[in-house]
Amino acid sequence: QQQVKQSPQSLIVQKGGISIINCAYENTAFDYFPWYQQFPGKGPALLIAIRPDVSEKKEGRFTISFNKSAKQFSLHIMDSQPGDSATYFCAASMRANQGGKLIFGQGTELSVKP
Amino acid sequence: EPEVTQTPSHQVTQMGQEVILRCVPISNHLYFYWYRQILGQKVEFLVSFYNNEISEKSEIFDDQFSVERPDGSNFTLKIRSTKLEDSAMYFCASSGAGAYSYNEQFFGPGTRLTVL
Repeated sequence: QQQVKQSPQSLIVQKGGISIINCAYENTAFDYFPWYQQFPGKGPALLIAIRPDVSEKKEGRFTISFNKSAKQFSLHIMDSQPGDSATYFCAASMRANQGGKLIFGQGTELSVKP
Repeated sequence: EPEVTQTPSHQVTQMGQEVILRCVPISNHLYFYWYRQILGQKVEFLVSFYNNEISEKSEIFDDQFSVERPDGSNFTLKIRSTKLEDSAMYFCASSGAGAYSYNEQFFGPGTRLTVL
């Protein structure tokens, strides 16, 4: 019930295309859903995050779509660029006002071809 | 821009030895975390620390692990007797307090621990 399931495991997209990564969760107590970007040999970097009171959040080319009833959320990367090639992790947290731990998905290795 | 720093970047040790991984969180943050990532796998939570005590720990965080905030800036993870399976990348993270910032966890670059 604490798991966050992420798909696909890997994704290849042409430059300029849309990259879509999906995550699903079971625990309705989760109240914060961030996405992290990780380049090889680096730490995860916070990309964008959403709370369950909204269905969509957009920051530049990155959009999170959130479906509370389906317990799913997804990351859309518009106009994907080779520089976006990285591993993306979704995560979830509960007890948002108490610094709750992040539970990560398995990761998606994105490759954007020029 | 403030960032989380970690030292060393790579630590090689013999099985059974003690290691201390060090982190300097972002200065005004109040919550501190350690995570680990075994090569090619997902990031796993180890422990969270707030107000000078552990607030939560995972099953991985057994008696061989301990954390400490020895002064106002450093946050350390000690592994008393390392095992081969402790080989992983260890990430420190911190988050602030206040509306909507308490869950924004910022990660350091990690320490790669290799146990031989």
